[in-house]
Amino acid sequence: EVQLVESGGGLVQPGGSLRLSCAASGFTFSDYYMDWVRQAPGKGLEWVARSRNKVNSYTTEYAASVKGRFTISRDDSKNSLHLQVNSLKTEDTAVYYCARYNAAAGSGDVWGQGTTITVSS
Amino acid sequence: DIQMTQSPSTLSAFVGDRVTITCRASQSISSWLAWYQQKPGKAPKLLIYKASSLESGVPSRFSGSGSGTEFTLTISSLQPDDYATYYCQQHNSYPLTFGGGTKVELK
Repeated sequence: EVQLVESGGGLVQPGGSLRLSCAASGFTFSDYYMDWVRQAPGKGLEWVARSRNKVNSYTTEYAASVKGRFTISRDDSKNSLHLQVNSLKTEDTAVYYCARYNAAAGSGDVWGQGTTITVSS
Repeated sequence: DIQMTQSPSTLSAFVGDRVTITCRASQSISSWLAWYQQKPGKAPKLLIYKASSLESGVPSRFSGSGSGTEFTLTISSLQPDDYATYYCQQHNSYPLTFGGGTKVELK
């Protein structure tokens, strides 16, 4: 079964840091681009970051709202995706989803269940 | 950035109704548009990719159309399981952007 499972969320003070993880199974992780997408409470979806695959040199893209504060990375040997989130702001409070990007289809075709970051003092 | 505008933001409909949701892009995105369904407390689920291709396992009552800047998602006969929020997303250029969502409610 194709599956993504996120972990690492929690309650953190403004200015704090966390490292989110996404464990992939059931597919050849190294072949795929991977995304992080977030959803603030009661709000819509916001794309956060992308990691391309090895063939594309693991290059990355970020939303302007997180660039310089968040870092996406991956470990293909462990089928895992990470998001290091630093200098957290209250507006970063959200459910964070990892998603597999199917380049041929141009869509996120597999999503995890999400992990929640709450930024509050 | 490409802005994605969905309409309506809320839609009330009966079971069996034909439902159409519109998504407009601020510039051409060719056919690089996906539609997702999201239920409360759950992750988004892919319905349509490349504007009009039905994802495997998705009921045929869902269909997508459009290209360039105007896109539609149609549910031909609304079922109880379809009450949810629907989002479009463009995959043409960075940053990837979503529409604001359309909540389909029971009338």
